[in-house]
Amino acid sequence: QVTLRESGPALVKPTQTVTLTCTVSGFSLTTTETCVTWIRQPPGKALEWLARIDWYDEKYYRESLRTRLTVSRDTSKNQVVLQMTNMNPLDTATYYCARDILRGPGIDVWGQGTTVTVSS
Amino acid sequence: DIQMTQSPSSLSASVGDRVTITCRASQGVSNHLAWFQQRPGKAPKSLIYAASSLQSGVPSKFSGSGSGTYFTLTINSLQPEDSATYYCQQYNSYPYTFGQGTKVEI
Repeated sequence: QVTLRESGPALVKPTQTVTLTCTVSGFSLTTTETCVTWIRQPPGKALEWLARIDWYDEKYYRESLRTRLTVSRDTSKNQVVLQMTNMNPLDTATYYCARDILRGPGIDVWGQGTTVTVSS
Repeated sequence: DIQMTQSPSSLSASVGDRVTITCRASQGVSNHLAWFQQRPGKAPKSLIYAASSLQSGVPSKFSGSGSGTYFTLTINSLQPEDSATYYCQQYNSYPYTFGQGTKVEI
């Protein structure tokens, strides 16, 4: 069974850096065509694609957030990590990771999400 | 960025009805279009990829069509559990972008 589970702090202060972890099971981060994508959703708003890391460690970022985002992985722990620097209240959102299979079903399995509130 | 525009923004329908949601892209995305369902307070669920292919385990009451800039999601035989917000997403060009969502009330 494929699962993804996000974890991270629920509350961060403005200007801080947040580190979110996506722990996966049921599939390998190094399987060809397998990627993990990060998506966020501010309260009451639509989904927003943030970043993706591919099976061969290639990374893609939302251009408008490129300077603030870093995605990485630890294959030994089956984890993908998203770091976002200089957090501000507009970054308050639920952050999701999802499995993304290229040239196939695309985003097919989502994590349950982790909510991050940015407030002093 | 490619803009994805869904219509309507919300709709109300009855049990057993068939509803259609449209999604328009500001430029062509081939068939690189997915649909997601999000029930209140829950994570999104993947329904359709490549414009018309059902994700594994998704009932055939859901169907998608279209290519280029115009896409539709049709839900047949509406049931109470179909109450949700539905999102389209293009994955043809970075950044991948979502529509604003269509809220379906039963």
